[in-house]
Amino acid sequence: DQQVKQNSPSLSVQEGRISILNCDYTNSMFDYFLWYKKYPAEGPTFLISISSIKDKNEDGRFTVFLNKSAKHLSLHIVPSQPGDSAVYFCAADSGTYKYIFGTGTRLKVLA
Amino acid sequence: NAGVTQTPKFQVLKTGQSMTLQCAQDMNHEYMSWYRQDPGMGLRLIHYSVGAGITDQGEVPNGYNVSRSTTEDFPLRLLSAAPSQTSVYFCASSSAVGLPENEQFFGPGTRLTVL
Repeated sequence: DQQVKQNSPSLSVQEGRISILNCDYTNSMFDYFLWYKKYPAEGPTFLISISSIKDKNEDGRFTVFLNKSAKHLSLHIVPSQPGDSAVYFCAADSGTYKYIFGTGTRLKVLA
Repeated sequence: NAGVTQTPKFQVLKTGQSMTLQCAQDMNHEYMSWYRQDPGMGLRLIHYSVGAGITDQGEVPNGYNVSRSTTEDFPLRLLSAAPSQTSVYFCASSSAVGLPENEQFFGPGTRLTVL
């Protein structure tokens, strides 16, 4: 039973355009959501997070939107750069520190 | 400041052997965790700790033991290795206690193969 789903295994975007990565969850107890980026043969690195008291959080080129009623969050990257090519994971937690990760979306930014 | 370090980087075991994956952090983080990453499965939490002397099970704890005797170290023990434990293992640490939205810092990973 996948509590955090990233239904798009891969996404290709032209350099300079917007990348939108989506994440759905089923557990209404999740209150904290985080996005990580992972390059091959490296550990994941943190990008941005949001708690359920907000519906948007922004950090430079990265914005996360949270729609609690739809149990959906999305990560927007604007403008996309070739260095953004990586696998992106969303993760969720209900305050128990038992983070549940999605299966990841591979983003390819085309130059 | 080394961040999160993991040893070894690679390991091959035979079925039934035991071993310990080492993890250390120098950021004085209370929270530490172990994940495994398998193809198509994302990262799955094995065990975690919210401070020295406190550990708890994650999503996939069977076949693994942990202990947390110091803030810095969080070793993961495989008791009797099985081929199903072939995976890439990541250790992470965070100042997330009380602030679950805080970032976790991940180590570079240990690639384990069990024959």
